[in-house]
Amino acid sequence: ETGVTQSPTHLIKTRGQQVTLRCSSQSGHNTVSWYQQALGQGPQFIFQYYREEENGRGNFPPRFSGLQFPNYSSELNVNALELDDSALYLCASSHGGLALSTDTQYFGPGTRLTVL
Amino acid sequence: QKEVEQDPGPLSVPEGAIVSLNCTYSNSAFQYFMWYRQYSRKGPELLMYTYSSGNKEDGRFTAQVDKSSKYISLFIRDSQPSDSATYLCAMSVDQAGTALIFGKGTTLSVSS
Repeated sequence: ETGVTQSPTHLIKTRGQQVTLRCSSQSGHNTVSWYQQALGQGPQFIFQYYREEENGRGNFPPRFSGLQFPNYSSELNVNALELDDSALYLCASSHGGLALSTDTQYFGPGTRLTVL
Repeated sequence: QKEVEQDPGPLSVPEGAIVSLNCTYSNSAFQYFMWYRQYSRKGPELLMYTYSSGNKEDGRFTAQVDKSSKYISLFIRDSQPSDSATYLCAMSVDQAGTALIFGKGTTLSVSS
């Protein structure tokens, strides 16, 4: 167990709707990253938050947004859902900070989103 | 050309076999290299982490990085049915805590 939890486990939405996915990081981990994993593919980096500020973003449109809270929880919001948004969404937590060259990311079990 | 290439398999071996999994990459700035194991319907689990070139051994697992060839490998000795999973290579430029670039994953099946 990594100590990273995500909710809900599964979710079904229709095209055009909005969705919020939640993640609870390991205590003491200041960085949370979100990834999208389509079926049969490796995870793709969406964005990262460090101490409640966005700290890097992958090649995803602005309708993907996030929040990080002081209590080690975070959210991924997706607006105007498209069929291609159907995927497993993973969050990963790490200590963060530039000096931690041995820092590694610990993944949660993911939320499986289906868009109909 | 994708930044990280990984043969998706599937790879099927008998119990006890030595397994070799590989990834190639194009970005010479990658310095941190990881292997994750992902069981069906679960999140990735960190197996091995290597900084720069060289070998690292942990039990039945050995990770190798050859930066001159832009090639990384994971060897599994004495493979077990419980090793059946998808193996993902991942790498990053700055440090392992920043954005990871993953391969597609190789699906391994070990039969008893």
